[in-house]
Amino acid sequence: DAGVIQSPRHEVTEMGQEVTLRCKPISGHDYLFWYRQTMMRGLELLIYFNNNVPIDDSGMPEDRFSAKMPNASFSTLKIQPSEPRDSAVYFCASSLRGRNTEAFFGQGTRLTVV
Amino acid sequence: SQQGEEDPQALSIQEGENATMNCSYKTSINNLQWYRQNSGRGLVHLILIRSNEREKHSGRLRVTLDTSKKSSSLLITASRAADTASYFCATGDYGGSQGNLIFGKGTKLSVKP
Repeated sequence: DAGVIQSPRHEVTEMGQEVTLRCKPISGHDYLFWYRQTMMRGLELLIYFNNNVPIDDSGMPEDRFSAKMPNASFSTLKIQPSEPRDSAVYFCASSLRGRNTEAFFGQGTRLTVV
Repeated sequence: SQQGEEDPQALSIQEGENATMNCSYKTSINNLQWYRQNSGRGLVHLILIRSNEREKHSGRLRVTLDTSKKSSSLLITASRAADTASYFCATGDYGGSQGNLIFGKGTKLSVKP
């Protein structure tokens, strides 16, 4: 398996635009996580899915953020409209059994909102 | 929710020396994990220690867990320049949601050749 694949690697967009980040988890993993990393706040858990179902989205900062997992091999994180304070590195990760097994991270998407 | 806190925030050592990083957490846990992040990359899992374990080894890594003190330490022996990275601990609350894997802010380790 190629690991967790995220796209794009870098995204620069103007304030107010819609941004869609994509993730392909490792095949067979039941859990998918979205994290955001900034210098100020560290690594924040935004939302996670179990068997394609969103379980806990309490970390999603605002209604501007939404995430979907239409099937076991694909997830999206959407920000609409984007704001400069959304600038961060967004990571997707997957694991076999949630917190009790290791999580495998993608390379991240560096988002810059100008 | 639970969050591990690493200490120190930054550590600078010479190649060949040992590096020790600590993690403290707040409530009961099922397990504690350590991850490494090289600059500009995703996190990589290093080791998982369960709440009923006190010590675990993996190559040059040694992890200890003291549930009475709610703390863990990561020791890297005979450090190399390639060990330069940020190190994070991650915990999930005992009895809490299966997916809540919460990370601390990390220790930035610099190993000088």
